[in-house]
Order: sequence, then C-alpha cells, then structure tokens
Amino acid sequence: GAGVSQSPRYKVAKRGQDVALRCDPISGHVSLFWYQQALGQGPEFLTYFQNEAQLDKSGLPSDRFFAERPEGSVSTLKIQRTQQEDSAVYLCASSLYSQETQYFGPGTRLLVL
Amino acid sequence: GQQLNQSPQSMFIQEGEDVSMNCTSSSIFNTWLWYKQDPGEGPVLLIALYKAGELTSNGRLTAQFGISRKDSFLNISASIPSDVGIYFCAGLHSGGYQKVTFGTGTKLQVIP
Repeated sequence: GAGVSQSPRYKVAKRGQDVALRCDPISGHVSLFWYQQALGQGPEFLTYFQNEAQLDKSGLPSDRFFAERPEGSVSTLKIQRTQQEDSAVYLCASSLYSQETQYFGPGTRLLVL
Repeated sequence: GQQLNQSPQSMFIQEGEDVSMNCTSSSIFNTWLWYKQDPGEGPVLLIALYKAGELTSNGRLTAQFGISRKDSFLNISASIPSDVGIYFCAGLHSGGYQKVTFGTGTKLQVIP
C-alpha cells in the first residue's frame, strides 16, 4: 500500500528561479493539503484541495506561490521567483475525506541560494 | 501564522524514564492531536482527542485534552530509543475540513 509520495525529495534553487514540487496522494483520497515547515518549526498550513477544487489558499505566503490539482489526484505546488525565505520543507498530506486523519508525505526540502 | 506553544523545547532522558510534554494555546480548539516526526519524514498521528477532559492512551502514550480546551499534554512511559524524534501537538477547529494548527515541537532524545 503506497503512502503519500513527494518529488523531488531535495531541491536546490538559485534565487529568482521557479520551482515545482509534486505530491502524489494516497489513491482515492479526496482531500489534499500543503504545509510549509521552516527549520525548527512546526508545519504551517498553506492550502487545501477537495478533489480538484482549491477551497482554501489562505496560507499561501505571497502571490508567488501557486498550487493546482487539475484532475483531483496529483498536486503541484509552484513557487515563482524563489527567495531565500522560501527555504523550508514542503509537506503534502492527504485524507480520505475532509474530516479524516491526514497522512503526510516525506516532504520536499527546498534550499534557495 | 499562529503556532501553539510547546514545552519543553527539547529534552534528554535515560531509556526507561517517563516523559511529559505539554502544549498551550491562546485559542480554544475542539480537537487536539499529537504527532511524531522522524528526521526526513512527515508527521505521523499518534493520538487524537475530541472532548475536553478526555484522557486517551495508545500503548505507552497517554494524552489529555485540557478542561479549558486551550491546552493538552502527552506522556510517554518507559521510554525506548525509538521514541527519539520531534513531537508536535496540533489543534483543530470544528466544522469544515481539518485545517491543522501545529505547535512548535518538543525534540526528544533518549540515552540508551
């Protein structure tokens, strides 16, 4: 049984580059969440999808951050013109339905130089 | 964004000792969760608490939902080396979907 997978696991970007982070949720899970975890901190909510609909994007730090889930399965978090403060671990989680337990992926560690 | 305050921030204990950590919030939550995160992995849910005053156990773990609904604690009894990791509390508001607010984390080191 596959869990949530994320790719790449590590990404180094030069300041100003665009990056795309991928999340493959558990098959059949309706809900998908993105979190940002800075070094030494707990995860912070970024955005939530129910199927393909992005129902909450209140946690996205700026308009450089964009997330999509066009077919209600795989999701991509895109960060444009990366800045050093974007360096963090980006976690994806999925749940069967919105009120069910969230299962987290291993995260993508992004380092912006 | 808001984060819940956890204490202690880190702790070193001897194998076999009991551990206690707690979490406080300025906001009321309707559900409290406790997660463990190993290096290079995402958080894994340990215990969920749904009612003020509730005491719930999961093996050697025991957690309580504070009466005020603004705090929770987690106890680990008879610690073992694999308990090493970072423990996060998290709070949920009722309704809608699980928009989880995480704590700042307690890093646990177990000395064999």
